[in-house]
Amino acid sequence: GAVVSQHPSWVICKSGTSVKIECRSLDFQATTMFWYRQFPKQSLMLMATSNEGSKATYEQGVEKDKFLINHASLTLSTLTVTSAHPEDSSFYICSALSPGGDGGEQYFGPGTRLTVT
Amino acid sequence: DAKTTQPPSMDCAEGRAANLPCNHSTISGNEYVYWYRQIHSQGPQYIIHGLKNNETNEMASLIITEDRKSSTLILPHATLRDTAVYYCIAGTGSYQLTFGKGTKLSVIP
Repeated sequence: GAVVSQHPSWVICKSGTSVKIECRSLDFQATTMFWYRQFPKQSLMLMATSNEGSKATYEQGVEKDKFLINHASLTLSTLTVTSAHPEDSSFYICSALSPGGDGGEQYFGPGTRLTVT
Repeated sequence: DAKTTQPPSMDCAEGRAANLPCNHSTISGNEYVYWYRQIHSQGPQYIIHGLKNNETNEMASLIITEDRKSSTLILPHATLRDTAVYYCIAGTGSYQLTFGKGTKLSVIP
C-alpha cells in the first residue's frame, strides 16, 4: 500500500513556541491531504483539508491563524502550531488521498505526538 | 458522511474469524463503505472499501447487504496483532472521512 510519513514522530515544546509537523506521501502524489487531531481515548477529529497550491479549508472551531497549513508540493504538507499552549498537546495525524476511480483511498501517517509544557 | 453505528467492543479467539458489524442505514448512493483500523498510538491503517459488491483483499473481506444499510468486515484468521480499534466509515473517499468511536477488537490467545 501507499506510504505516508510524518516528522517528527514526537515533539516536546515550551508554551508560546511554534512547532512544525511535516507530512509526506512517499510513493504517490497527493493533491489533497488532511490533518486530524486525536485526544486520549477519543476518535480522530478532522482539523483541515489541504489542497496543493491553494489555501486550506478548516473545520468549524479550528483556528486557521493558530494552525497554519502549507501544501506547497504534491508530496508535502506542513502543519505549524503557532504559540502552542498545553491544551494543544495532542496526537496529530495526517492523511494523503491516493487518487482512484472508485472513491479513492486515504492513507494515514504514523502520527506526531505533541506535548506542550 | 452518513453516520455509522458499531458495537463498542468485541472479543475474538486467536485463529478464529472476526466478524465486525456496521450499520449505515442513511448511506447515500454515491457513498462507499470504508474500513480502517488503529492500533494504539499509531495512525489509522486502511483495510478495505466497497460500494455495492462484496470485496476481498489480503487483509479482509467486506460483505455489504443488498440494501447497503449494513456491512460486515471479516478478518478470516484473527491474530493478536489484529487487536485494534476498527472504524467503519460511509463516505466519498475523495473528501474528509468522519471517524466515529469504532469497535475495539480484542483478540484473545
